[in-house]
Amino acid sequence: DADVTQTPRNRITKTGKRIMLECSQTKGHDRMYWYRQDPGLGLQLIYYSFDVKDINKGEISDGYSVSRQAQAKFSLSLESAIPNQTALYFCATSDSGTGGSGGYTFGSGTRLTVV
Amino acid sequence: GDSVTQMEGPVTLSEEAFLTINCTYTATGYPSLFWYVQYPGEGLQLLLKATKADDKGSNKGFEATYRKETTSFHLEKGSVQVSDSAVYFCALSRNSGNTPLVFGKGTRLSVIA
Repeated sequence: DADVTQTPRNRITKTGKRIMLECSQTKGHDRMYWYRQDPGLGLQLIYYSFDVKDINKGEISDGYSVSRQAQAKFSLSLESAIPNQTALYFCATSDSGTGGSGGYTFGSGTRLTVV
Repeated sequence: GDSVTQMEGPVTLSEEAFLTINCTYTATGYPSLFWYVQYPGEGLQLLLKATKADDKGSNKGFEATYRKETTSFHLEKGSVQVSDSAVYFCALSRNSGNTPLVFGKGTRLSVIA
């Protein structure tokens, strides 16, 4: 099994629908992140969580919300999906015990299309 | 604030050519530096890292040296293969680790046979 698992892998949804993307990890890491990647662009941070009771907005949090249900689970919701939220979404984890030197472990991504 | 600047792509090389992807950074203190690789249809994978000045990270034939004096962490490979075709991201982290990684915009590399 993958260390960081994202579900679903692909999703097509209609404008205005609520959708949840899920992320779970077996790394035992305390920190989790959600990123968005648009074609030809880099990564944009949506939300991040340094522990179960900590949630922080990233650079593009408008239109998104998150829930950290447990140390191993971090879900991203689009309350009312719109076409310009069509993108590739990545979850990542890191270990605070490494300070800043450990880097991130990424999931394989969820490709979301809003029609 | 902290930032990472990568050379823009796409970069197209013939097999066995020498690769350099430039990366410079702006940060206070002594950040850790990373290169990530994203193969088509996949998530990002850590390629190599360096945590202090003059460290050299290496993996799969790729190398990068942490140059404090030029605030750079250029990625190099002596002989690229078609299988190296991917998007490469440079990133930095404050050594406290209390802020998220800062990523560059990525450089797409295509290697042709």
